[in-house]
Amino acid sequence: DTEVTQTPKHLVMGMTNKKSLKCEQHMGHRAMYWYKQKAKKPPELMFVYSYEKLSINESVPSRFSPECPNSSLLNLHLHALQPEDSALYLCASSQRDREGDGYTFGSGTRLTVV
Amino acid sequence: GEDVEQSLFLSVREGDSSVINCTYTDSSSTYLYWYKQEPGAGLQLLTYIFSNMDMKQDQRLTVLLNKKDKHLSLRIADTQTGDSAIYFCAESSGTYKYIFGTGTRLKVLA
Repeated sequence: DTEVTQTPKHLVMGMTNKKSLKCEQHMGHRAMYWYKQKAKKPPELMFVYSYEKLSINESVPSRFSPECPNSSLLNLHLHALQPEDSALYLCASSQRDREGDGYTFGSGTRLTVV
Repeated sequence: GEDVEQSLFLSVREGDSSVINCTYTDSSSTYLYWYKQEPGAGLQLLTYIFSNMDMKQDQRLTVLLNKKDKHLSLRIADTQTGDSAIYFCAESSGTYKYIFGTGTRLKVLA
């Protein structure tokens, strides 16, 4: 298995809703990432988990809450989002000690906040 | 600052070569990458080059690195319509954090 699987592919939520994005990989990668990508822009790093511990939080608002239940799963819990949070949310993973391998990205969740 | 610049748009005819350029600023970068993003999809790693290399070839892809000028390029030989996508360069200095370029939209005309 050489994929990162993200669900759902599309999500529409209201500003008072609570929802979660899910990401799964079975490549044995020990680093997992959440990125946010607005249209026609490069991905922006949000969070990094290394060995299931949060190692980087790029000053992301608390309405985004990451969780890493185990080495294969990464969640992003969403609450009280704003319309400007609408974007493509990408999950990625990497084998930290083989840097040249780069990231493996999922296909993303297209989030629309109404 | 850590800005990675790319030209916004490139248009080529099918069968021609494409050259996508990238200028980075962090001289401590150890790996430099090229990713491809098709519409509505995630990013796909195409190739990478280690900072002590000048060139790397991988089938139709050739990566050139000029460390003195902090310039990276990706040449796609015999460009096909399936190569139409956005191409991002990215640099890594040994941390978990990549710096992505601004992206180049490649359009291949049949």
